[in-house]
Amino acid sequence: GQNIDQPTEMTATEGAIVQINCTYQTSGFNGLFWYQQHAGEAPTFLSYNVLDGLEEKGRFSSFLSRSKGYSYLLLKELQMKDSASYLCAVIESNYQLIWGAGTKLIIKP
Amino acid sequence: GAVVSQHPSRVICKSGTSVKIECRSLDFQATTMFWYRQFPKKSLMLMATSNEGSKATYEQGVEKDKFLINHASLTLSTLTVTSAHPEDSSFYICSARDGSSSVEQFFGPGTRLTVL
Repeated sequence: GQNIDQPTEMTATEGAIVQINCTYQTSGFNGLFWYQQHAGEAPTFLSYNVLDGLEEKGRFSSFLSRSKGYSYLLLKELQMKDSASYLCAVIESNYQLIWGAGTKLIIKP
Repeated sequence: GAVVSQHPSRVICKSGTSVKIECRSLDFQATTMFWYRQFPKKSLMLMATSNEGSKATYEQGVEKDKFLINHASLTLSTLTVTSAHPEDSSFYICSARDGSSSVEQFFGPGTRLTVL
């Protein structure tokens, strides 16, 4: 069946680094997205991985291992504005997005 | 980047009335649009997928007669919540996929529906 797991909530300190993990089991795989969602707002795109390895984009990096069904989002130099929910989503063979429940990230000063 | 708009951003209505939400792709042609709803502190739940000019495909458990979806053009899809009830109160988000870029979905800003 389809399943995407990510931690419900994480807490980190401003200026630090945090890694949010995502494991998945889906019917086919056409890539994995990470989205950021602030409360009351729609998700905004952060990254897309379809090949194994690390994609770096400024303070945010995303890693994928297809053989392990595993991805992580790495956030460096955390800022208070990074407090949000981070959603992992996998595109299946039929191009349908399967969403994780999201990880609420709390940044403390 | 691709922009998707939604209107209205917020609506409050009385129980029993119908509410229409519009989703527009502003700078690209959206061959496929998706409608999601999201309850507080929960993840996005796909309601239906609509392709321009054809009937929407609804997810299991979503009432077709309750949530009417029309995708009449390549830039506009509408979701009508008919005979709304308080349990329909939710955050509704649309997304659109550019036919030439078949992977990424571009999200609208969402519509907060409150049914009294």
